[in-house]
Amino acid sequence: ETGVTQSPTHLIKTRGQQVTLRCSSQSGHNTVSWYQQALGQGPQFIFQYYREEENGRGNFPPRFSGLQFPNYSSELNVNALELDDSALYLCASSPTLAGGLVGELFFGEGSRLTVL
Amino acid sequence: QQPVQSPQAVILREGEDAVINCSSSKALYSVHWYRQKHGEAPVFLMILLKGGEQKGHDKISASFNEKKQQSSLYLTASQLSYSGTYFCGTEISGNTPLVFGKGTRLSVIA
Repeated sequence: ETGVTQSPTHLIKTRGQQVTLRCSSQSGHNTVSWYQQALGQGPQFIFQYYREEENGRGNFPPRFSGLQFPNYSSELNVNALELDDSALYLCASSPTLAGGLVGELFFGEGSRLTVL
Repeated sequence: QQPVQSPQAVILREGEDAVINCSSSKALYSVHWYRQKHGEAPVFLMILLKGGEQKGHDKISASFNEKKQQSSLYLTASQLSYSGTYFCGTEISGNTPLVFGKGTRLSVIA
């Protein structure tokens, strides 16, 4: 059973560019969440996908968008990059338990984005 | 609503105990605890559901006070391997995302 994998691990972009980050969820997990973690801060919730539908969104502008595929892998797209978008982007997959409870989050190692 | 963690940082000697607190202004459905070591992804420790349950994980345990909307993580007889940043994540109901606090940095020294 493979864990959560993210790609790329590191990337550098310039202001105004667009970026796509990818995540393969753990086998059997139908929920994927994306978090942004700035240096020294806690993970900030961006959005969550459940069975290919967006199932909650944090306080991020529309230029942050996502997608979940039938195999439950996911993408995070960020348009018109800004300097403040520099951060570690974490993907986490989880099973959905009874009552809609979020189960244990299994995090990938993250994609570190630097915007110059 | 982001939960509030305290303290922000703590330094312990091996064998000492520590308590990390997490509080919310909203009624909680569940509380999660994660530990993140420098340069690594957060790793799950435990989930607590409303009902005031307490859980243990080796020498790390936690409680959840539903009335106060607070959870506490107890680290007993700390080991060097306990060093890292501890995050609580809270859910206000089913089908809502997990929102993390800013973290508590724990350093255990010999």
